[in-house]
Amino acid sequence: NAGVTQTPKFQVLKTGQSMTLQCAQDMNHEYMSWYRQDPGMGLRLIHYSVGAGITDQGEVPNGYNVSRSTTEDFPLRLLSAAPSQTSVYFCASRPTSLAGGPGTQYFGPGTRLLVL
Amino acid sequence: AQSVTQLDSQVPVFEEAPVELRCNYSSSVSVYLFWYVQYPNQGLQLLLKYLSGSTLVKGINGFEAEFNKSQTSFHLRKPSVHISDTAEYFCAVSAVRAAGNKLTFGGGTRVLVKP
Repeated sequence: NAGVTQTPKFQVLKTGQSMTLQCAQDMNHEYMSWYRQDPGMGLRLIHYSVGAGITDQGEVPNGYNVSRSTTEDFPLRLLSAAPSQTSVYFCASRPTSLAGGPGTQYFGPGTRLLVL
Repeated sequence: AQSVTQLDSQVPVFEEAPVELRCNYSSSVSVYLFWYVQYPNQGLQLLLKYLSGSTLVKGINGFEAEFNKSQTSFHLRKPSVHISDTAEYFCAVSAVRAAGNKLTFGGGTRVLVKP
């Protein structure tokens, strides 16, 4: 049981390049999300998915695309990288809450992205 | 919409001393409350959460937090810190009936434990 895995761990891009950040989980969690972490701003939600085939925008979705074709995978695509997208990106998953409140979110180790 | 304010961006503390990290939130609806910890170069781990019931919540590694609805606060405390508690701590909220129970995070508090 690997939990939430993210690749790559570190990436350098030039402005205008595109790339995909990979996220996978092996816990059969329905809910997955992408956050970016910037100094002093905590984590901000980019996109999330409540199940395969269903995605929605978070707080800062511009410049990013997502898709969810399987329960396990939730890739994040940068269409045309900009220096403002330099950040640390975290993927998270959680089981659908059966009763009461939300379950614990499980975070991946993060991807550090530098856009020059 | 919800917002979270962590009043201290950095908290230096000596080993074996107590520490309190302050968190205030704003929301027009009922919320769930969380504290997460991020050790250097790692992802976030859940320390504790308040869903309902007793306002004093105990978490892992000796941490506890108290929910105060009238002051809209959820401060985190530990009576005696260790060097290994050096990390960044995030307070987060989620509206009770929000789609997907989305989390809104505060800006984080860096705790540096000194020997």
